[in-house]
Amino acid sequence: AQSVSQHNHHVILSEAASLELGCNYSYGGTVNLFWYVQYPGQHLQLLLKYFSGDPLVKGIKGFEAEFIKSKFSFNLRKPSVQWSDTAEYFCAVNAPRDSNYQLIWGAGTKLIIKP
Amino acid sequence: GAGVSQTPSNKVTEKGKYVELRCDPISGHTALYWYRQSLGQGPEFLIYFQGTGAADDSGLPNDRFFAVRPEGSVSTLKIQRTERGDSAVYLCASSLMRRENTEAFFGQGTRLTVV
Repeated sequence: AQSVSQHNHHVILSEAASLELGCNYSYGGTVNLFWYVQYPGQHLQLLLKYFSGDPLVKGIKGFEAEFIKSKFSFNLRKPSVQWSDTAEYFCAVNAPRDSNYQLIWGAGTKLIIKP
Repeated sequence: GAGVSQTPSNKVTEKGKYVELRCDPISGHTALYWYRQSLGQGPEFLIYFQGTGAADDSGLPNDRFFAVRPEGSVSTLKIQRTERGDSAVYLCASSLMRRENTEAFFGQGTRLTVV
């Protein structure tokens, strides 16, 4: 069965620090990869997604993620975080070949940015 | 409306009672998903509708859970004989079509507490 691991459940950074949130998935076939963000009191929003092509994907608000197939990873990065990036971040996967496209989710990483 | 709307936003019910949770998707979106998110975890897939039919209900935990979408728009998730373990945030998402690379838009969720 597919699964998604997010290694850090809580991350605390100061403003202007660089961010990298880890995401690993277990599935040997073709996958689609997503990062969602949930700001306090708001709904889940798509940050970025990877389906094919350039493994370095750029999303909204200065976020990017790199798909490394050999490592089954899709880590999220931002060079310089802001206080407004405080939120919970979820990595998710679907595998078209043998799922029905529903998303399989990681447990989430709570990011707190200190002003 | 502009986004996916879920009502109520919060529901407290007694163990053994019946509850209904409503989802109003984005107008024109044919695909509708229900997910459940327990504390400290990522969302888990429950059921998917394409139009009026439940195309995939493999995520429903047991027969106390049921969902309908009679006119292909609004959906209702129904839980009979609620148990304390049903306490979670129930998320609804909709998308234009059911394909792996189509973005799903999420509502803010209904927080269900069974006491």
